[in-house]
Amino acid sequence: GQNIDQPTEMTATEGAIVQINCTYQTSGFNGLFWYQQHAGEAPTFLSYNVLDGLEEKGRFSSFLSRSKGYSYLLLKELQMKDSASYLCAVQDSNYQLIWGAGTKLIIKP
Amino acid sequence: TAGITQAPTSQILAAGRSMTLRCTQDMRHNAMYWYRQDLGLGLRLIHYSNTAGTTGKGEVPDGYSVSRANTDDFPLTLASAVPSQTSVYFCASSERQGGQPQHFGDGTRLSIL
Repeated sequence: GQNIDQPTEMTATEGAIVQINCTYQTSGFNGLFWYQQHAGEAPTFLSYNVLDGLEEKGRFSSFLSRSKGYSYLLLKELQMKDSASYLCAVQDSNYQLIWGAGTKLIIKP
Repeated sequence: TAGITQAPTSQILAAGRSMTLRCTQDMRHNAMYWYRQDLGLGLRLIHYSNTAGTTGKGEVPDGYSVSRANTDDFPLTLASAVPSQTSVYFCASSERQGGQPQHFGDGTRLSIL
């Protein structure tokens, strides 16, 4: 079967760095997406990785290792507004997104 | 502002009744999707459409139907609602099927009693 695993919840301190991991087992791989979802709102796109390596976009970076079935989202200089759920999704061989259950990130002052 | 509009925002529905959730996008995206989001689970794909005039079944299609008469609209119909269909429903679109981020509407919160 297809499976995306990410931690249920993480806590970090304002101004710090946090890494949210995602491991996947899917039928085929056509890219990995990270989305942010604030409570009661729609998911919004953060990053897309299709090749191995690190993609940096401001305070957010995303890393992919296809051989290990592993990705992480790195958030630097955490702000209170970063409190949200972070969703990992893999595009399978049919180009459909398989979604993880999300990681709820709690930022403490 | 360009984007995806869903209606209604929320709805309480009696079991056995039918309901159509509306979704309209003005980005001229080819692909559109319907997901449901339940607590503790990832988004699950109900139905999708890669282009106007075509639709396909996702992971959890039973009890739902869709149509794609034109590029902009992608309604989702529950023919006879059951309590297990209580969920938050998100419509999304992307330029094309592969390698493109999906843009989401604000969701419809549906409760079936």
